[in-house]
Amino acid sequence: QTVVTQEPSFSVSPGGTVTLTCGLTSGTVSTNYYPSWYQQTPGHAPRTLIYNTNIRSSGVPDRFSGSILGNKAALTITGAQADDEADYYCVLYMGSGISAFGGGTKLTVL
Amino acid sequence: EVQLVESGGGLVQPGGSLRLSCAASGFTFSYSAMTWVRQAPGKGLEWVSTISGSGVSTYYADSVKGRFTISRDNSKKTLFLQMSSLRVEDTALYYCARSSSCGGDCYRPDSWGQGTLVTVPS
Repeated sequence: QTVVTQEPSFSVSPGGTVTLTCGLTSGTVSTNYYPSWYQQTPGHAPRTLIYNTNIRSSGVPDRFSGSILGNKAALTITGAQADDEADYYCVLYMGSGISAFGGGTKLTVL
Repeated sequence: EVQLVESGGGLVQPGGSLRLSCAASGFTFSYSAMTWVRQAPGKGLEWVSTISGSGVSTYYADSVKGRFTISRDNSKKTLFLQMSSLRVEDTALYYCARSSSCGGDCYRPDSWGQGTLVTVPS
């Protein structure tokens, strides 16, 4: 069974740039997987950041961007801020109405 | 403003049943697919099930197929998740989410409720 993979953790300095990725244990992520990205802070529901690979959800700052890098979907944060410290999840469309989340990346800003 | 309010969670013994509800407002409910996503304590998000706006099409994760049933009442703007044969590993915060189409039978959660907690003790 194909699993969606993400880095378990990442750190970035304030003002820095970080790229989180979303891959598959078998195969290549393309736009046909319609990758979406969500941000979740402790005690809160997820918030949609990016959908359909690279479309920012309403109200999301433009320091968040989505893309395909190589064989993975990617979320890049440019000019990281302290309140970007959160868990980040990707979700991929796996076909036949089925979706799958990655395990999430815990981002630390320090 | 989209509002989604889940209810129905609680403590249930292994093998038991529970029905979750999600009351929706602020959007045209019957036009929107809806999804249940769960999150076990301290763990990541897990897609559980999606239902189309009409209710005709339903989709389930393998982990719940045959045990959970998603349904909706468009006249009452309410989404349901009937859970049976509950297991310890079903313990989680269950979120309902409005879902937008990304084409065909692809749906992506876009607006989320605050969740309702289901606990199945060992």
